[in-house]
Amino acid sequence: GAVVSQHPSWVICKSGTSVKIECRSLDFQATTMFWYRQFPKQSLMLMATSNEGSKATYEQGVEKDKFLINHASLTLSTLTVTSAHPEDSSFYICSARDWGGGALGYGYTFGSGTRLTVV
Amino acid sequence: AQSVTQLDSQVPVFEEAPVELRCNYSSSVSVYLFWYVQYPNQGLQLLLKYLSGSTLVKGINGFEAEFNKSQTSFHLRKPSVHISDTAEYFCAVTEQGAQKLVFGQGTRLTINP
Repeated sequence: GAVVSQHPSWVICKSGTSVKIECRSLDFQATTMFWYRQFPKQSLMLMATSNEGSKATYEQGVEKDKFLINHASLTLSTLTVTSAHPEDSSFYICSARDWGGGALGYGYTFGSGTRLTVV
Repeated sequence: AQSVTQLDSQVPVFEEAPVELRCNYSSSVSVYLFWYVQYPNQGLQLLLKYLSGSTLVKGINGFEAEFNKSQTSFHLRKPSVHISDTAEYFCAVTEQGAQKLVFGQGTRLTINP
């Protein structure tokens, strides 16, 4: 089945630095990828939707300049948290979608998540 | 716009007992429905999905769900739970033709010995 690899699984960074998180689809081409943020004991909050080769679409309230998303190929999307601060500490999860040309496609596959701690 | 409501934030169950996790959705068009499980500090794993066809969907780990269009529900069931089923469960919906997957608030399933 479809596999999405997300790295790193956890990262600690100093306040003011930038962190890049990678999301790769290993055995399918992901035309659309999604980035979520999850606070403790809460559901997933969609941050942005990225389509290969075009700019990401951010959800209302998400800072575009702080959370930079690049989807340069059909198998790789990256999320860069710029000038990170402690309030950016969270669990970030990516997801890739591949409908395979019809309703019987893979659907939505999720990465294993990245725990970001900003100190 | 579609929305999802998981009616129970927490469900405690004894081991080997049956369980039902409830999910209702709201949409004006046809939808695809999903159930995911999340273990601590991990991503989401697909349990099952309804795209079309039979309304009773069987998934992994002995779970199944039934799509009820008239009640706009997609409840998840398991006839006999195990300690290893302790996790967070999310119901999600996407409208046909849409990109976004909308999640419910999640239900924490706790299995007691």
